[in-house]
Amino acid sequence: SAVISQKPSRDICQRGTSLTIQCQVDSQVTMMFWYRQQPGQSLTLIATANQGSEATYESGFVIDKFPISRPNLTFSTLTVSNMSPEDSSIYLCSVSDRGLGEQYFGPGTRLTVT
Amino acid sequence: GQQLNQSPQSMFIQEGEDVSMNCTSSSIFNTWLWYKQDPGEGPVLLIALYKAGELTSNGRLTAQFGITRKDSFLNISASIPSDVGIYFCAGQLETSGSRLTFGEGTQLTVNP
Repeated sequence: SAVISQKPSRDICQRGTSLTIQCQVDSQVTMMFWYRQQPGQSLTLIATANQGSEATYESGFVIDKFPISRPNLTFSTLTVSNMSPEDSSIYLCSVSDRGLGEQYFGPGTRLTVT
Repeated sequence: GQQLNQSPQSMFIQEGEDVSMNCTSSSIFNTWLWYKQDPGEGPVLLIALYKAGELTSNGRLTAQFGITRKDSFLNISASIPSDVGIYFCAGQLETSGSRLTFGEGTQLTVNP
C-alpha cells in the first residue's frame, strides 16, 4: 500500500486563524479524501479531493470553511479556516487507487484551537 | 445520513480469549472494511471484503461479509496485549460510489 505523510502532525492555533494541512503520497493515486475525527468519535468524511477540479463536499461541510486543493495525483491540502474551538479534531487524509474501495490513511494531524 | 451500528462499544477481555464484534445496517453495502486505530495514529486496514458471504482471514483475524450485504463481523482469536485499540468497520454503500461510511468503533482492552 502507499506511504502517506501529513504535515503538520499536530498544532495549537488561535481562534480566528487558519491552518493548512498537507497530505503527500509516495505514488500516484486516483482518489484522495479528507476526514475529521472529533475526540473520542468515529471518522466523518469532509470531502473528496478531485485532481484538477473542485472538491466534492459532504453534507455539513462547505468550501469556504474547508478549502481543498489537489494539484496533482500525489498531493493535497486541506485548510481549516477561521478556526474555533469546535474545530479541534484529528484531520486525516486517505487514498484509494485500485477502485476496489480500500482506503489507506495518513497518520493524521491533531489540531487544537484555543 | 446512512448509519452503521457497530457493537459492542467496548470490550474488556483476558489475554488468550477470542473476541467478536459486528456491524449492521439497514442499507446494502458493496464493500466492507475493518480498520484498527492505535492512539495518535491513523486507522490501519486489517481486512477488506468484496462479496456477500465472503470469509477472509489475516493471521488471527477473520471477517465475513454478510449474506444480506447489510452486515459484517470481525473475530480475533487468542488475543494478545497488542490487540488493544479501537476497531472500526467501514462500508461502501452501493449508492455512494467510493465514499466510506464508518461505524462508531469498538474499544478493545486486553488484560495480560
